[in-house]
This record gives sequence, C-alpha cells and structure tokens, in this order.
Amino acid sequence: QVQLVQSGAEVKKPGASVKVSCKASGYTFTSYGISWVRQAPGQGLEWMGWISAYNGNTNYAQKLQGRVTMTTDTSTSTAYMELRSLRSDDTAVYYCARVRRGNFDLWGRGTLVTVSS
Amino acid sequence: DIVMTQSPDSLAVSLGERATINCKSSQSVLYSSNNKNYLAWYQQKPGQPPKLLIYWASTRESGVPDRFSGSGSGTDFTLTISSLQAEDVAVYYCQQYYSTPGMYTFGQGTKLEIK
Repeated sequence: QVQLVQSGAEVKKPGASVKVSCKASGYTFTSYGISWVRQAPGQGLEWMGWISAYNGNTNYAQKLQGRVTMTTDTSTSTAYMELRSLRSDDTAVYYCARVRRGNFDLWGRGTLVTVSS
Repeated sequence: DIVMTQSPDSLAVSLGERATINCKSSQSVLYSSNNKNYLAWYQQKPGQPPKLLIYWASTRESGVPDRFSGSGSGTDFTLTISSLQAEDVAVYYCQQYYSTPGMYTFGQGTKLEIK
C-alpha cells in the first residue's frame, strides 16, 4: 500500500546530530518530492525543507540553513533528514510528507526527537 | 518569504452549525499563467499527522466529505465546514506552495472545538 514509514524515536544530547529516515512504498519514489515538517510540543507545523526524489535538488527553510541536510536513496526509496548541532528547541515530532504538485498528500506517522542533557 | 496568517486562533461551534476559518497570505498566491491559487488546507487531529483536505484553494482531496469547502483567491482564503460533526474537532492549517518550487509555509493553525 502507499505509505511512508519513518524511523523510530531518538534521544540526543545538545550539540549532537540526528538522522531520520522515511521509507516510501506503493508508488514511484522518483515521481514526487519529499518535504520535512516538524512540530514542537503543543505548537504548529514548521516546514523544514524539500528534496526532489528525481534529481536531489533541495530547498531549506532559511532558519535551518547550515544545520540541515536532506538526501534520498533511490535504490531503497528512502529519504533522510539530518539535523546537526541540536538544541533543546529542536525537540519535536518530525514528519516526512510526499509532495504532489506542491501540496502534501501523504504523510509519515512522525518521529519524536528529544534533545536533552 | 510568504507569511500565512490564520484567523481566529481558536473557534468553538455547535454541532450542526457552520464553521469558518480564514487564511491571509502576505502576497498573492494566484499564479496568473494557469489561474490557480497555490493554497492548501490540512486537518490535524491529536496524535496524528496532518491530512490534506483541500488543494488549489477549492479542490477537495479524494475521500474528504463534501461538508468541507475552500474558497478565495489571491491573498484571502476561507475553509468552511457546512455542518460541524464531532469528528471535525481538530487543528486546521493553511499552506502556500506558490513560492520558488520547493519553498512552502504554513499558517499558525486554528483550533476548532465543539461549543
């Protein structure tokens, strides 16, 4: 079935890095983009960036430039989001979403990343 | 960057009544070459990922009940639930996808509750 399956919850110390995966199934991976969206506890949705699964082109939210890298592995239909120099305010649920002509029509269940010393 | 502002921040409506949520963009999201508004609406229930309800400002996603409708153009948009059901309690977000391909922003969200 058509789905995005994300990796499990992570606990990291401040200053560390985290890499979250998002495995697609049930559709042609390279025909769509993938965006990453995060949601801090009790807060709204924050768009983090986008990657074309076709050619690897990326766009990142300005506030995360330099700390975030998004990649894909077309051989396994998996997208990755790495966030470096983690701070406590990076604690959030991280979602991947399939991008269909700009709107996000398929979402993963989310990955909780907790940053705590 | 295009800033999306929703109003109100929260809303309480009686079952069976109409609910209206507004979204304003800091610049037009109407693409003149195809006359499409690059605006989507999402619903998020507690503990769940968001769900796409409406795209192109007024096109319902497959499977979305017809009590949900979207309207507006340019910079001002509205999501209307014609007859509120208990299962519609959620937070609703608008999102623009007009910016440079691959640049998106969400509104801050509107929490909808039962009165």
